[in-house]
Amino acid sequence: QSVLTQPPSASGTPGQRVTISCSGSSSNIGSNTVNWYQQLPGTAPKLLIYSNNQRPSGVPDRFSGSKSGTSASLAISGLQSEDEADYYCAAWDDSLNGLYVFGTGTKVTVL
Amino acid sequence: QVQLVQSGSELKKPGASVKVSCKASGYTFTSYAMNWVRQAPGQGLEWMGWINTNTGNPTYAQGFTGRFVFSLDTSVSTAYLQISSLKAEDTAVYYCARSGGVIVTDAFDIWGQGTMVTVSS
Repeated sequence: QSVLTQPPSASGTPGQRVTISCSGSSSNIGSNTVNWYQQLPGTAPKLLIYSNNQRPSGVPDRFSGSKSGTSASLAISGLQSEDEADYYCAAWDDSLNGLYVFGTGTKVTVL
Repeated sequence: QVQLVQSGSELKKPGASVKVSCKASGYTFTSYAMNWVRQAPGQGLEWMGWINTNTGNPTYAQGFTGRFVFSLDTSVSTAYLQISSLKAEDTAVYYCARSGGVIVTDAFDIWGQGTMVTVSS
C-alpha cells in the first residue's frame, strides 16, 4: 500500500553517481518534508536524510537529498561497495488523519 | 548511548498472541514519540502507527486496527506491541523507531534492531 513510488533497482560502478527518485502527491511530498532511510542487508533501517536535504551526524556528504513539488530524489556520489543496500523515501501524509508513508524501496547494487 | 533494544524472535501458532518489547535508553523516554514499523519477508517498510509516550494515546494506521495494541511502561522506558489472533500473514520483522525530536522532528532517527515474529502451525 506504498503511496510513494521508487524505481525497484539502481546500480553503478565504484566512484559513479547514482540517483534514486521518489514520486508522491500533494498530500505527502507536496505538503511535508521527505526523509530517506538506508537498510543494509539483514539490518534495521537507518536515517540517511531528513527534512529533504539534511544529513544526521555521521552520514557522509556523499549522500544528498532534494525535493521539488511532489517528487524527491536521493543522490549518492562517489559510490562505494558499502553503499549496496535498500533505500526508502518516506514522508508524513496529511490525508486520513495523518499517516507516515514509505516508498516502495530501491535496491542499489554496486557493480 | 541512545538506543532501542527489542525483545528476541518469537515463534507462535496461528490464533496465539505475542507481545514485543522495545526498551529505550540514553534519552528521556517521554520526550519522543514511538513508532512501529512492519517488514514482511522480502518486502518493504510499512508504518503501523505511533504512540504518544506522554499521554499513552496510540494512533493506528489503516490495516492495523483491532488486533494490534501499542502500550507503554514509562517506569522502565519501554514500549510494547501486542498482536492477538495471529495469522500467517503477520509473519514479519517488527521495528520500533523514535520520532519527534527537536532537531529531527519528522523522521525516525533511532531504530530498534527488529524482532522477527513467525506464525506457523
